[in-house]
Amino acid sequence: EVQLVESGGGLVQPGGSLRLSCAASGFTFSSYDMNWVRQAPGKGLEWVSVIGDSGGSTYYADSVKGRFTVARDNSKNTLFLQMNTLRAEDTAVYYCAKGQRYSGTYTFDSWGQGTLVTVSS
Amino acid sequence: EIVMTQSPASLSVSPGGGATLSCRASQSVSSNLAWFQQKPGQAPRLLIYGASTRATGIPARFSGSGSGTEFTLTISSLQSEDFAVYYCQQYNSWWTFGQGTKVEIK
Repeated sequence: EVQLVESGGGLVQPGGSLRLSCAASGFTFSSYDMNWVRQAPGKGLEWVSVIGDSGGSTYYADSVKGRFTVARDNSKNTLFLQMNTLRAEDTAVYYCAKGQRYSGTYTFDSWGQGTLVTVSS
Repeated sequence: EIVMTQSPASLSVSPGGGATLSCRASQSVSSNLAWFQQKPGQAPRLLIYGASTRATGIPARFSGSGSGTEFTLTISSLQSEDFAVYYCQQYNSWWTFGQGTKVEIK
């Protein structure tokens, strides 16, 4: 059974930093692209970032480009999101999500339970 | 960016009734369209991918249709566990989600 467990969320002041982790199990982690998706309180879902299976390619939503960095450690089956220069609008539950290809492109077939990041003074 | 628009924003349905949810893309996404279900305090769950293929373990009362820019999720004979928020997502060009449709008990 696929399991994704996020950690590292919390309260941080505007301009501060936070590092999220996502521990994966139940599948061959190094064979799948991994994503971060966030959801502001009471709002919809927003894709944040993707990292390729080897870690060699990374992409970001415009809203976080230059401030967030995604990384992975395939030896430890763990995904990371380093978040710098945080803003109030970054307040959200952050989910890690496993990519699954169905026909060339892919969607997200498994999600973690999420970790809440609150940016406030 | 491809914008996804869902309608209606909310829907009241009696248990055992049916529901039809719509999703429109601002440009063609072919059949690269997924539907997710989210209950309060829980992560989204993949229901449908490829516009019409049910994900593993999803009951047959959930069905998806459409291609290009117009898509529909139909839930027949709603059970108590089906009352939730439903999101469509295009994965043809990066990933964007609709704003959600809340299915409530009537």
